[in-house]
Amino acid sequence: QQPVQSPQAVILREGEDAVINCSSSKALYSVHWYRQKHGEAPVFLMILLKGGEQKGHEKISASFNEKKQQSSLYLTASQLSYSGTYFCGATSNFGNEKLTFGTGTRLTIIP
Amino acid sequence: DARVTQTPRHKVTEMGQEVTMRCQPILGHNTVFWYRQTMMQGLELLAYFRNRAPLDDSGMPKDRFSAEMPDATLATLKIQPSEPRDSAVYFCASGLEYQPQHFGDGTRLSIL
Repeated sequence: QQPVQSPQAVILREGEDAVINCSSSKALYSVHWYRQKHGEAPVFLMILLKGGEQKGHEKISASFNEKKQQSSLYLTASQLSYSGTYFCGATSNFGNEKLTFGTGTRLTIIP
Repeated sequence: DARVTQTPRHKVTEMGQEVTMRCQPILGHNTVFWYRQTMMQGLELLAYFRNRAPLDDSGMPKDRFSAEMPDATLATLKIQPSEPRDSAVYFCASGLEYQPQHFGDGTRLSIL
């Protein structure tokens, strides 16, 4: 069963912050975040492993709550280039590389 | 920048025809994945290989789909016979063991 992402879609003005959530009904071992622009390939953003860590990448960071079986992606001071659909991909145990991708969140940044 | 290369980028064909999609993984990557993306189902894993050996193809309809890696620089996904419900974008991704997956630009397939 695929992870559920929320919100499904969000529109923000440039400079505003966004949070995208990824929730799984199964135990999570790792969560991979990707961004896909229309008509293009998904682009890797970051991986989080079991352990509740938080990672940062410029103004994009993410957290992983193992107990809640949830990961959140944070985009601060959003830029026009952040527009796209964000997907989380989850694995359920060590040694399993099969990613089950979430339902996707469409983010639109307007000037 | 090294990239995963997929051919063709677009394919339109009639129902019943054989379709072959090709993927050249990034040099040095030993793991190759095939995904299918549709509006209804999202991104689904069809199959993946490590060092050219198939590790999992449980996501692939076995009766009409087949995936192979003839050599380390080429992965193929075949559909025979094709059906309209196979219309989708097919992505190939490559990576190293337990490392991020890098996606190709995809093959947009339309079966009439």
